[in-house]
Amino acid sequence: ELKVEQNPLFLSMQEGKNYTIYCNYSTTSDRLYWYRQDPGKSLESLFVLLSNGAVKQEGRLMASLDTKARLSTLHITAAVHDLSATYFCAVDGGKLIFGQGTELSVKP
Amino acid sequence: SQTIHQWPATLVQPVGSPLSLECTVEGTSNPNLYWYRQAAGRGLQLLFYSVGIGQISSEVPQNLSASRPQDRQFILSSKKLLLSDSGFYLCAWGGLANYNEQFFGPGTRLTVL
Repeated sequence: ELKVEQNPLFLSMQEGKNYTIYCNYSTTSDRLYWYRQDPGKSLESLFVLLSNGAVKQEGRLMASLDTKARLSTLHITAAVHDLSATYFCAVDGGKLIFGQGTELSVKP
Repeated sequence: SQTIHQWPATLVQPVGSPLSLECTVEGTSNPNLYWYRQAAGRGLQLLFYSVGIGQISSEVPQNLSASRPQDRQFILSSKKLLLSDSGFYLCAWGGLANYNEQFFGPGTRLTVL
């Protein structure tokens, strides 16, 4: 059974700092997705990673995938308040299996 | 471009009452459709998915059911709601390419009292 674990589950950052969210999964997959959820809202697709070594960047966020390590990272550079949200990774095992989410709070 | 609609946006229902949530997709044909529930605490639970009209796969045995009467319409139903059915219900569509990226609707927040 495919399991997906994110860490940390809660992250409080200061503006301007860098940090990384980790997404580990238990069985082979080379497709992984990152989503963002604002409080009370739905999920918004951020990144689609489809192969080992894939790297995608959008603004202050960069996602990467290492299928051999079964690990994806979401790196935040010079955080700003607007990045405060919950971030989910989802691994494609035929169906999407979601991590628990990482609640990010960026404080001035 | 594709859009996905859900209604109602918010619903408060008594225990034992019926439920019908609707999801429609525009701008694509023969999408894969999904119902998820997000309880307090963030985790997403896949409830049902459908790859075509009348084709429903259930992921979790419970008092909910789903139907797909038309290509771009997906309905979630219950005959008698339980307190534990409260949550945020999200419909999603996918199958745009040969990978499984899914796009989520705005959601329905259901409170069962």
